[in-house]
Amino acid sequence: AQKVTQAQTEISVVEKEDVTLDCVYETRDTTYYLFWYKQPPSGELVFLIRRNSFDEQNEISGRYSWNFQKSTSSFNFTITASQVVDSAVYFCALSEPPTSGTYKYIFGTGTRLKVLA
Amino acid sequence: NAGVTQTPKFQVLKTGQSMTLQCAQDMNHEYMSWYRQDPGMGLRLIHYSVGAGITDQGEVPNGYNVSRSTTEDFPLRLLSAAPSQTSVYFCASSYSYRYTDTQYFGPGTRLTVL
Repeated sequence: AQKVTQAQTEISVVEKEDVTLDCVYETRDTTYYLFWYKQPPSGELVFLIRRNSFDEQNEISGRYSWNFQKSTSSFNFTITASQVVDSAVYFCALSEPPTSGTYKYIFGTGTRLKVLA
Repeated sequence: NAGVTQTPKFQVLKTGQSMTLQCAQDMNHEYMSWYRQDPGMGLRLIHYSVGAGITDQGEVPNGYNVSRSTTEDFPLRLLSAAPSQTSVYFCASSYSYRYTDTQYFGPGTRLTVL
């Protein structure tokens, strides 16, 4: 069954600390895509990254990095030197080929990150 | 490009009232969808469309209708609002209906049903 688990409901860190948000997924397919979205207090959903199942290289974008490990079905997100502007809810999502109809994203329940000044 | 736009941003309805949430995109995207976001439940798919004139149900379609007469617009209709429909609604679009595509989301509509 398809499932995305974000076990950390809420994390609080002090500014400049590093923080890792966990994402564990279950999939029936060997071909799939994983995504991370950010939802700041203003409410919109901002796309951060897309990763396909054949590319296990870690990705770095500024202070953001992503660690994809197929062996543990995880796609974790690390923020280095966190800032107050990183405070948001972060969602991990999974997309895989549909068995019928068209695809849909499976979202995790989100992790609320609070970065304290 | 404005991307994905949604109106209104906030709405309060009384039980039994009907209304339409508007969604438009200017990216010529083939695929559009509606999600609802509830605390502790992530985002759940209500309805989706793979092109003008084609719509289908997601996982929580009851109480909602959609239509897609143009590529740009994908309105969501609440036929008879219920308190259980209090939620934040997001419209999203992607270039195609392939599972490889990235969905881009609108700013959301916060709906309260009294």
